[in-house]
Amino acid sequence: DSGVTQTPKHLITATGQRVTLRCSPRSGDLSVYWYQQSLDQGLQFLIQYYNGEERAKGNILERFSAQQFPDLHSELNLSSLELGDSALYFCASSSRASYEKLFFGSGTQLSVL
Amino acid sequence: DQQVKQNSPSLSVQEGRISILNCDYTNSMFDYFLWYKKYPAEGPTFLISISSIKDKNEDGRFTVFLNKSAKHLSLHIVPSQPGDSAVYFCAAQSSNNDMRFGAGTRLTVKP
Repeated sequence: DSGVTQTPKHLITATGQRVTLRCSPRSGDLSVYWYQQSLDQGLQFLIQYYNGEERAKGNILERFSAQQFPDLHSELNLSSLELGDSALYFCASSSRASYEKLFFGSGTQLSVL
Repeated sequence: DQQVKQNSPSLSVQEGRISILNCDYTNSMFDYFLWYKKYPAEGPTFLISISSIKDKNEDGRFTVFLNKSAKHLSLHIVPSQPGDSAVYFCAAQSSNNDMRFGAGTRLTVKP
């Protein structure tokens, strides 16, 4: 158990819909990362937050947004969903902003039908 | 933008032999490198790391080698065990960068 909790584990929705993925980092960790893993693809970096502030942005679509709340949990919002958004979404946390290993949750499997 | 590349999607080795997984990076600002291991239906778990001030780091059966001039790192597993069968991801980071991952290499260790 990494200590990082992601909910829900599975999500099935239709095109055009909006969903929210939730992540609770390890206790004390200030940094939260979101990654997308599509079929046979590596981990594509989406966005990183550190202590409530956006720190880095990767290949995150404009239809996607995220935030980190004062209690340090984070949410990833995906809107106007398309079939291609079907993927495994991972959240990871670390205590520092950089130079430290990440602890990953078990992921949210999103299926857009 | 593939700043971290793992060009071998899969690798198969015999139990007891050495497994060598390779990784290349393009961003010269990266100075901290990690390997993660991922089993099906689980998130990646940290395996071993190395900073750019070193060229080798060892932890039990796992050794990571870094060649900065070639922008190349490798993970050696000796001896390989069937339980090592998993997908291995290489990752890289700098002080101003998020952590970037390669596409992964699926290692199969045959008994």
